[in-house]
Amino acid sequence: DAGITQSPRYKITETGRQVTLMCHQTWSHSYMFWYRQDLGHGLRLIYYSAAADITDKGEVPDGYVVSRSKTENFPLTLESATRSQTSVYFCASGGSGVNEKLFFGSGTQLSVL
Amino acid sequence: AQKVTQAQTEISVVEKEDVTLDCVYETRDTTYYLFWYKQPPSGELVFLIRRNSFDEQNEISGRYSWNFQKSTSSFNFTITASQVVDSAVYFCALLNNNAGNMLTFGGGTRLMVKP
Repeated sequence: DAGITQSPRYKITETGRQVTLMCHQTWSHSYMFWYRQDLGHGLRLIYYSAAADITDKGEVPDGYVVSRSKTENFPLTLESATRSQTSVYFCASGGSGVNEKLFFGSGTQLSVL
Repeated sequence: AQKVTQAQTEISVVEKEDVTLDCVYETRDTTYYLFWYKQPPSGELVFLIRRNSFDEQNEISGRYSWNFQKSTSSFNFTITASQVVDSAVYFCALLNNNAGNMLTFGGGTRLMVKP
């Protein structure tokens, strides 16, 4: 099915472990984004990518790593998870047009114990 | 720097009441776009509307209407005759094309519509 999918839907991990959240879109959108949602903060941008092999930091990039070797995939890695990274993570994609709206995945709820 | 403020963190209304969700934004750019997204209890983000900075016409879509006023940097959202299914978190967002199509979100307003 066409769309944007995130996996896993739920993840529990321990402090210090590495964890990767996956994001896949089937529209061939140029732009992809990772946001985290925390109570009181709305959604904050972690990283974004304008095209394959092009990534850039958002508002809260520390502790995260991204890659984009293929247009359709944009994984987010927490290299050494911390409790403060407990959050709901949303992946989004959008075209390169001037005012393209974003399409969001269903989110990954991550708990770091 | 750009910023979106949704001062109302939670609103509770009784079904059939009208309710207005406030959104105030800050940007130095003359060209920008404003959005509203809805996040129902299921968690996904649903696009509601996009408005560019050159179009100040109000828009109505069924029970939803939006009032964009550049003079006060506001983009308020009104639901008329609210229904229980309107219960959700609503986000206002600002897009600055100079920043790579990134959306800056407000903190969200949780709307609870009671039967």
